[in-house]
Amino acid sequence: DTEVTQTPKHLVMGMTNKKSLKCEQHMGHRAMYWYKQKAKKPPELMFVYSYEKLSINESVPSRFSPECPNSSLLNLHLHALQPEDSALYLCASSPRDQSYGYTFGSGTRLTVV
Amino acid sequence: AQKVTQAQTEISVVEKEDVTLDCVYETRDTTYYLFWYKQPPSGELVFLIRRNSFDEQNEISGRYSWNFQKSTSSFNFTITASQVVDSAVYFCALSEAYLLNDYKLSFGAGTTVTVRA
Repeated sequence: DTEVTQTPKHLVMGMTNKKSLKCEQHMGHRAMYWYKQKAKKPPELMFVYSYEKLSINESVPSRFSPECPNSSLLNLHLHALQPEDSALYLCASSPRDQSYGYTFGSGTRLTVV
Repeated sequence: AQKVTQAQTEISVVEKEDVTLDCVYETRDTTYYLFWYKQPPSGELVFLIRRNSFDEQNEISGRYSWNFQKSTSSFNFTITASQVVDSAVYFCALSEAYLLNDYKLSFGAGTTVTVRA
């Protein structure tokens, strides 16, 4: 299995809702990442987990809450989002030694209404 | 500070023309990795090529080739004999260590390539 699977593919949520994005990989990669991509912009790093521990938080607002329950799973919990948070959220994983680079999921397209 | 610069915002070519995408990077590390990714309209990021900082050998893989020059901090990418299916946004990216053996990937702004039939 050489894929990163993200669910759901599309999500529409209200500003008072709580939702979660899910990312799963079974390649034994020890680093997992969340990126946010606005239209016509490059992906921007949000969080990095290394060996299931949060190692980078790029000053992301607390309405985004990451979680890494185990080495294969990465969640992003969403609460009280704003319309400007609408974007494509990409998950990625990589082996720690960079030998195979980064594998990206197909993303969750989030719309906040 | 911008670590990866893609000066070309958009490139439009006619099918079968060659397309060269420029990328200039900035890093203080001696060990780093450079990537090119393709993002078609569907949104997924497709890995194309990877180079580590110790290997300046330029290669060709099918219709793709790349020119890595550490002296000028450039990592340019060429699509030979372009096809309509090559239309996408192309990102150059730099992977650097933020801790010993922990890396993060930073992207350039991207170049939109349109190949016309």
